[in-house]
Amino acid sequence: QQPVQSPQAVILREGEDAVINCSSSKALYSVHWYRQKHGEAPVFLMILLKGGEQKGHEKISASFNEKKQQSSLYLTASQLSYSGTYFCGTGADGLTFGKGTHLIIQP
Amino acid sequence: EADIYQTPRYLVIGTGKKITLECSQTMGHDKMYWYQQDPGMELHLIHYSYGVNSTEKGDLSSESTVSRIRTEHFPLTLESARPSHTSQYLCASSSWSSYNEQFFGPGTRLTVL
Repeated sequence: QQPVQSPQAVILREGEDAVINCSSSKALYSVHWYRQKHGEAPVFLMILLKGGEQKGHEKISASFNEKKQQSSLYLTASQLSYSGTYFCGTGADGLTFGKGTHLIIQP
Repeated sequence: EADIYQTPRYLVIGTGKKITLECSQTMGHDKMYWYQQDPGMELHLIHYSYGVNSTEKGDLSSESTVSRIRTEHFPLTLESARPSHTSQYLCASSSWSSYNEQFFGPGTRLTVL
């Protein structure tokens, strides 16, 4: 079952914050987040492995609500380098990815 | 340096040809994966492997086949390429101990005329 991401696209000014959501109709045991820049391969950001877990990576953090079967990615004080498409992925081995959220940061 | 490699990076080929997309990793990972991605779209898992002599089909039905004779090598073969196979193919690998964090290769962009 493919996870559902929202929003589909976000346009921000540099320094603004954004939240990207990922939800599933199936029970989630882990959620992965990747960022892909145009013409490049996806790059791993973080994995959340248990309910309530929150992780951070510079000004990018994420939370995982096992009960609600959803995860959210938080981008704080966005930088131009944050532009790209963000994918959440679920699954035990190979991942099933959401359709992605396109993030555009304008100066 | 530990890395994951894919060749060729770009391939333009005629309908009906047999092709093999190569993927190799020097990270010592047991698990390897193939994903298919159309421009601006999500990745779809087409094959994966737990280790040598292990291959599994993914979520997306694919006419391709894979083999895993060596740990570091996971080639994908299309016996008879068709225009519907035009896409980007991404190879990835992960270890057993890293909770499935996947490292992606640069991809092969395939165009079938």
